[in-house]
Amino acid sequence: GESVGLHLPTLSVQEGDNSIINCAYSNSASDYFIWYKQESGKGPQFIIDIRSNMDKRQGQRVTVLLNKTVKHLSLQIAATQPGDSAVYFCAESLTNAGKSTFGDGTTLTVKP
Amino acid sequence: DAMVIQNPRYQVTQFGKPVTLSCSQTLNHNVMYWYQQKSSQAPKLLFHYYDKDFNNEADTPDNFQSRRPNTSFCFLDIRSPGLGDAAMYLCATSRGGSPYEQYFGPGTRLTVT
Repeated sequence: GESVGLHLPTLSVQEGDNSIINCAYSNSASDYFIWYKQESGKGPQFIIDIRSNMDKRQGQRVTVLLNKTVKHLSLQIAATQPGDSAVYFCAESLTNAGKSTFGDGTTLTVKP
Repeated sequence: DAMVIQNPRYQVTQFGKPVTLSCSQTLNHNVMYWYQQKSSQAPKLLFHYYDKDFNNEADTPDNFQSRRPNTSFCFLDIRSPGLGDAAMYLCATSRGGSPYEQYFGPGTRLTVT
């Protein structure tokens, strides 16, 4: 069978390493997905999004991968920096639903 | 250049004493959302407005109400706060229509004594 990354509530990486944060979503009909970053004491902040007609999208130092077969989303952060330390949430939504459902967060800690 | 503003940032209220949290936006977005976030948990949607249309989540307690008098402002009213309502309350906006990213305010931390 296909190997799928597990969601971890916490992830600790060394500065400069690559980070991979995983998320399993619940609704097979969801067609829009977003990753948010939430720093301590702040609201979530948009990082990157992907629509269901794509399986990969790249931003600056970040890549999102979507596997609809197993309802899995991942966020890859290249050359992780101390400023990347935060809680990361994935969110799924349906076109015309007007709202998103957040998945469980992953707390990323970057060690200098 | 704050785009989604929440006031106050910290609110202390007494058990059972009504409290109102406010949110304003400069983005002219159609949709405004209220989320409740408890420690180490994902934001939980309470309700949202698409323009003037109010959409309540099925599991949002009746104790929580909302008002949107105009495009820019939205209020969260907690009629009789209980100790379990202590949380961070996040306001967010989006353009509406096709699903778009949401823009979040900094949140209001509510303490119930």
